[in-house]
Amino acid sequence: RKEVEQDPGPFNVPEGATVAFNCTYSNSASQSFFWYRQDCRKEPKLLMSVYSSGNEDGRFTAQLNRASQYISLLIRDSKLSDSATYLCVVNGDNYGQNFVFGPGTRLSVLP
Amino acid sequence: DGGITQSPKYLFRKEGQNVTLSCEQNLNHDAMYWYRQDPGQGLRLIYYSQIVNDFQKGDIAEGYSVSREKKESFPLTVTSAQKNPTAFYLCASKQRGGTYNEQFFGPGTRLTVL
Repeated sequence: RKEVEQDPGPFNVPEGATVAFNCTYSNSASQSFFWYRQDCRKEPKLLMSVYSSGNEDGRFTAQLNRASQYISLLIRDSKLSDSATYLCVVNGDNYGQNFVFGPGTRLSVLP
Repeated sequence: DGGITQSPKYLFRKEGQNVTLSCEQNLNHDAMYWYRQDPGQGLRLIYYSQIVNDFQKGDIAEGYSVSREKKESFPLTVTSAQKNPTAFYLCASKQRGGTYNEQFFGPGTRLTVL
């Protein structure tokens, strides 16, 4: 089993749609969780961290379920500029030194 | 402006040649990382360094070498022993400690073996 798995995608949605991405991880001792965004042929950039209580940043909501080892990202009112690959990232140790990246899920928002 | 720079942006190599990819950061981060990304795949860790003069192998270190002589620099050498080096190489840095400290990435180097 891979350490971090994501929905295979791609997701093609119309502008204004709500889209949800799912991610599962295998290391139950994982300490911290993130969603990164990667535009085509660019470097990944942090979208948001995922805290145990869940967190929201504008149109983006992230949830963490430690019991099920599951992370989600919800994007509401999709914009064309949201088109990118979304990477689920899990930090596997206590010291923040071991980031494991999922394969990513590609999103295309269509006009 | 603080950030991470990588050079060159594009690199072409003949089979059998060693090449060195540059990574420099002025964020005063202790930890630095090298990843490789292949089309449609996630990032795979090649090497990482938590402090000057120390580095550790990642998941796919074979055919690669690194050095960490200065805090701000972490060059990666792709040797002729790396059988399939064509890929997108990403360097990252991070402040040590703090489980929620994020990794910052450079713009990457695309290496193509001719």
